[in-house]
Amino acid sequence: AQSVTQPDIHITVSEGASLELRCNYSYGATPYLFWYVQSPGQGLQLLLKYFSGDTLVQGIKGFEAEFKRSQSSFNLRKPSVHWSDAAEYFCAVGASPNSGNTPLVFGKGTRLSVIA
Amino acid sequence: KAGVTQTPRYLIKTRGQQVTLSCSPISGHRSVSWYQQTPGQGLQFLFEYFSETQRNKGNFPGRFSGRQFSNSRSEMNVSTLELGDSALYLCASSPGQVANEQFFGPGTRLTVL
Repeated sequence: AQSVTQPDIHITVSEGASLELRCNYSYGATPYLFWYVQSPGQGLQLLLKYFSGDTLVQGIKGFEAEFKRSQSSFNLRKPSVHWSDAAEYFCAVGASPNSGNTPLVFGKGTRLSVIA
Repeated sequence: KAGVTQTPRYLIKTRGQQVTLSCSPISGHRSVSWYQQTPGQGLQFLFEYFSETQRNKGNFPGRFSGRQFSNSRSEMNVSTLELGDSALYLCASSPGQVANEQFFGPGTRLTVL
């Protein structure tokens, strides 16, 4: 069964500083990987996804993530954080189509605070 | 295209009552998944429907049930509500056969008193 670990429960960064949110997954086959963002009281918005190919994927709002199979990681990065990036971030892993249809598994989330 | 819509957005119920939540997926999406989100447990998968059939079910008691209609709209029902059922219930739709790349609605905030 898949699992996702987001080691950091809460991160605080200064506006304009760089950001890296960590995500480690466990999955026996080729995973599909996602990052979602959730603002308070809202649903989840897809930031980016990795299915195959280039291991560095670009997403919306200036975010990118790098898939590292050897480390079972899919860390999210942003070079310069804006105050509006303050939110909860979720990493998720899903099965590739060839592996059958199993539900997405989400990490517990990392709450990002941005200070001036 | 309109996004995933969920109604109602907020609900207050008392213990022992039952509740029905509704979800309309993005037009053309045939897969609908439901999640319960609480501060302690995070996002927990409830069930997923595809073409009116339940394809996957999470580890929740039988008080939690759902269904999907021929137009892909979905409802979930919780009977005999408990205080611990207070949560944000999120619905997500997916375009393909495999329920990846899910698009989420804003959620229904259920409070059980």
